[in-house]
Amino acid sequence: QKEVEQNSGPLSVPEGAIASLNCTYSDRGSQSFFWYRQYSGKSPELIMSIYSNGDKEDGRFTAQLNKASQYVSLLIRDSQPSDSATYLCAVNDEAGGFKTIFGAGTRLFVKA
Amino acid sequence: KAGVTQTPRYLIKTRGQQVTLSCSPISGHRSVSWYQQTPGQGLQFLFEYFSETQRNKGNFPGRFSGRQFSNSRSEMNVSTLELGDSALYLCASSLMGVGANVLTFGAGSRLTVL
Repeated sequence: QKEVEQNSGPLSVPEGAIASLNCTYSDRGSQSFFWYRQYSGKSPELIMSIYSNGDKEDGRFTAQLNKASQYVSLLIRDSQPSDSATYLCAVNDEAGGFKTIFGAGTRLFVKA
Repeated sequence: KAGVTQTPRYLIKTRGQQVTLSCSPISGHRSVSWYQQTPGQGLQFLFEYFSETQRNKGNFPGRFSGRQFSNSRSEMNVSTLELGDSALYLCASSLMGVGANVLTFGAGSRLTVL
């Protein structure tokens, strides 16, 4: 059973701080990795995708991938109260048709 | 560009009944995936369809079924409903191809089984 593990939190950070969210996955063959954000009562929305080892930056968000350690992380710089949400790590299981496996999510609270 | 449309948004059923949920993907998206989301289990993969073919199925009992039509619209059906089927059912569509399997979710159908 392929798995994606996340610390469920909650993670609480003050406004303006860096929030660090982490995720590990079990399938060494995975090639595509995603971070989705889900506000309470809403559906998940994509915020970052990453496919190669290293860092990928998009505005205040940086995704980091280390395939050797099977580890994905998301850094949110200058955290804002509007960043308060559940962050879902997702990994594609591409064997036999596309299937995306989600972690349980980390709840982030940004305190004003 | 219209997003992913799911209907109905809310529904209440009783145990033993059956339910059909509908999903219209983004125009041009040929892959449709279904997920069940509950507070305790998170997002659980139900099945994925591409060109009217089910290519992948999650670990759910046979009471859960689905199909995809030639216009890429998809339906899922749950028969003989149980209390534990109460959940948010999310549909997501995507383009296919390497790096293109980004999921765009609909607003979901919230099912309550009494």
